[in-house]
Amino acid sequence: EVQLQESGPSLVKPSQTLSLTCSVTGDSITSGYWNWIRKFPGNKLEYMGYISYSGSTYYNPSLKSRISITRDTSKNQYYLQLNSVTTEDTATYYCARSLHGRGFAYWGQGTLVTVSA
Amino acid sequence: DIQMTQSSSSFSVSLGDRVTITCKASEDIYNRLAWYQQKPGNAPRLLISGVTSLETGVPSRFSGSGSGKDYTLSITSLQTEDVATYYCQQYWSTPWTFGGGTKLEIK
Repeated sequence: EVQLQESGPSLVKPSQTLSLTCSVTGDSITSGYWNWIRKFPGNKLEYMGYISYSGSTYYNPSLKSRISITRDTSKNQYYLQLNSVTTEDTATYYCARSLHGRGFAYWGQGTLVTVSA
Repeated sequence: DIQMTQSSSSFSVSLGDRVTITCKASEDIYNRLAWYQQKPGNAPRLLISGVTSLETGVPSRFSGSGSGKDYTLSITSLQTEDVATYYCQQYWSTPWTFGGGTKLEIK
């Protein structure tokens, strides 16, 4: 069974960097596409980006140059960094596995990150 | 970006009702449409991909239809466990985008 688990700080100060880890079991991150999605207060879902089986990345242009997704295949983990955060980045962050021709089939339980001084 | 619009943000239903949730894309998404169910405190759950394909374990009372820009999720005979928020999502064009969600509440 594929399982994903997010971890990282729950509170980040404005202008700092938000860093999260997604730990994957039951599948290898060297296959498929591994994504980050966030849900804002008020329930809007935003797609942030992915890292692929080959290590290539795609980022939502709305996040411009603030986002970076990397991985460590030896640990079967991938990572999210979001720079220069503001209170607008307060959200629940999910990691998720997408399948070709389908949606996001597997999700982590989500982690709430609050940006506040 | 393709905008996904769910016209109803919430509505009240009765157990046993047939429920239809609509989703409209700002352009043709060529049936690259998924539906998710989310309950409080849980991650979204993929219900349907490719407009009509039910994921493993999803009850047959759920079904999807549509084409082009207009899509629907139907639930026949609503059960207590179906009370949740439902989201559509397009995966035709990056960035993938979601509808705003439709929350079902019991009357």
